[in-house]
Amino acid sequence: NAGVMQNPRHLVRRRGQEARLRCSPMKGHSHVYWYRQLPEEGLKFMVYLQKENIIDESGMPKERFSAEFPKEGPSILRIQQVVRGDSAAYFCASSPRTVNTYEQYFGPGTRLTVT
Amino acid sequence: DAKTTQPPSMDCAEGRAANLPCNHSTISGNEYVYWYRQIHSQGPQYIIHGLKNNETNEMASLIITEDRKSSTLILPHATLRDTAVYYCIVWSSGGSNYKLTFGKGTLLTVNP
Repeated sequence: NAGVMQNPRHLVRRRGQEARLRCSPMKGHSHVYWYRQLPEEGLKFMVYLQKENIIDESGMPKERFSAEFPKEGPSILRIQQVVRGDSAAYFCASSPRTVNTYEQYFGPGTRLTVT
Repeated sequence: DAKTTQPPSMDCAEGRAANLPCNHSTISGNEYVYWYRQIHSQGPQYIIHGLKNNETNEMASLIITEDRKSSTLILPHATLRDTAVYYCIVWSSGGSNYKLTFGKGTLLTVNP
C-alpha cells in the first residue's frame, strides 16, 4: 500500500525557468492538498483539489502558480518564471472522504532550489 | 491568531516517556486536537487526534484535560527515531476544515 508519492524529490531551477512538481495520492484518495514550507517556517496551505476540480486555491500566490489534478495521472503544481523566493519544500497530502475525522497523509516533499 | 501554544523545544532520554504539552485555551466545543510530527527532511506524519476523551494508538497517547484547554502527547518509550518537530493542531469539523495550520511546533530531541 504505497503512500503519497512526490517527484522529483529535489529540483534545481534557474531564475525565470518553470518548475513542475508531481504528486500521486494514496490509492483510493481523491482529495489532494499542496503546502509550502519556507526555510525555518511551518507549512502553509496553498491549494485543495479533487479530480478535475480546484476546490480552494486561496493560499496560492496570484501569479505564476497553478495547480491541476486531472482525471488520469498525478496532481501537478506548476510554477512559472521561478524567483529565488520560491525556494522551499513543497508537500502534497491526500485524504479519503471520511466523516468526522480528518487525516491528511503527506508525501516526502519536493525541495525546490532556485539559483 | 494562534490557536495553540507549544514550547519551542524539549529533550528526552532514550527509553523514557516523552510528554509534549499543548495549550489551546480558546478551543470550542466542536474542535478536535490533532497531533502531527515532521522528521527532518520528511513530510508531516499524522499521530493521533481526540475530542474530549483520552486516546491511545500504536504510536502515542493523547491526554486532554477536562476543560479541554490543554493536552499532552505521550510517547511512552521514546527512541532516537522519534526526534522530530511535533505539531499540535486544533481542527474544526465545519467550514474550510481541510486547511491544516501548522505553527512552529516543538522540536523534540531524544538523546542516547
